[in-house]
Amino acid sequence: DVVMTQTPPSLSVAIGQSVSISCKSSQSLEYSDGKTYLHWLLQSPGRSPKRLIYQVSNLGSGVPDRFSGTGSQKDFTLKISRVEAEDLGVYYCAQTTHFPYTFGAGTKLELK
Amino acid sequence: EVQMVESGGGLVQPGRSLKLSCVASGFIFSNYYMAWVRQAPTKGLEWVASITNSGGSTYYRDSVKGRFTISRDNGKRTLYLQMDSLRPEDTATYYCTNPWERWGHGVMVTVSS
Repeated sequence: DVVMTQTPPSLSVAIGQSVSISCKSSQSLEYSDGKTYLHWLLQSPGRSPKRLIYQVSNLGSGVPDRFSGTGSQKDFTLKISRVEAEDLGVYYCAQTTHFPYTFGAGTKLELK
Repeated sequence: EVQMVESGGGLVQPGRSLKLSCVASGFIFSNYYMAWVRQAPTKGLEWVASITNSGGSTYYRDSVKGRFTISRDNGKRTLYLQMDSLRPEDTATYYCTNPWERWGHGVMVTVSS
C-alpha cells in the first residue's frame, strides 16, 4: 500500500498567517496517463470532508484561491495564504493513483 | 443542489449484516465512479471500496474483501454497501463519495455485542 506521510501533525496559527502542509508518498503518484492523482481535503469539526485541491494543483469548486497545491512524484505541499477562521479543521492528503486508495494521517489546524 | 444522503446504519452484533444506501441528487450519478470511505471514532479517513460508473468493476481494501459488497443502481441514483460478517473494528462513520468531489453527511455503524 502507498503510505502517505503528512507533516506536521498539527499547526497553531493566527488569523492572517500563511501556512504549509507537507505530504510525502512512499511511491510515485504519477499514473500511466501522465496525471498525478494527489488531492487535498479539509474536514471541519463535526462535518464531512470537503475537497480543496485535486490532481496536485487544481482548485475545487468554490474553494478560495488562498489555497494552492504544488508538487510532483512523491512530494507535495498545500499552502494556505492568509488563514481565516473557517479554515480550521483537519487537512488530509489522499491518493487515487494506486489501489488501495490511501490518506495521510491528517494535519490539525488550530487557532493560536 | 448536489446531495448525497446515506442511510442504513445502526448498532449491530458481531457477525451480523447491515446494508448501507446512498441516494444521490443534483449531478449525473451514472457518470461517476463512487466509493465508500469510513472514519473510526477520533481517527482518520480510510477508503473501503470503489465501483466504476457502470458498476462493471469493483475494488476493496483487503480487510473487507469477501465480507463487503459495493453495488449501484444508476436508475435509482443509489450506491449500496452490503456489509456481512461485521467485526468490532468495522465500527465507524461511513461516507459515500465520488472521490472526492462530493461527500454525504455520513452514517454511523457500531458493531458491538
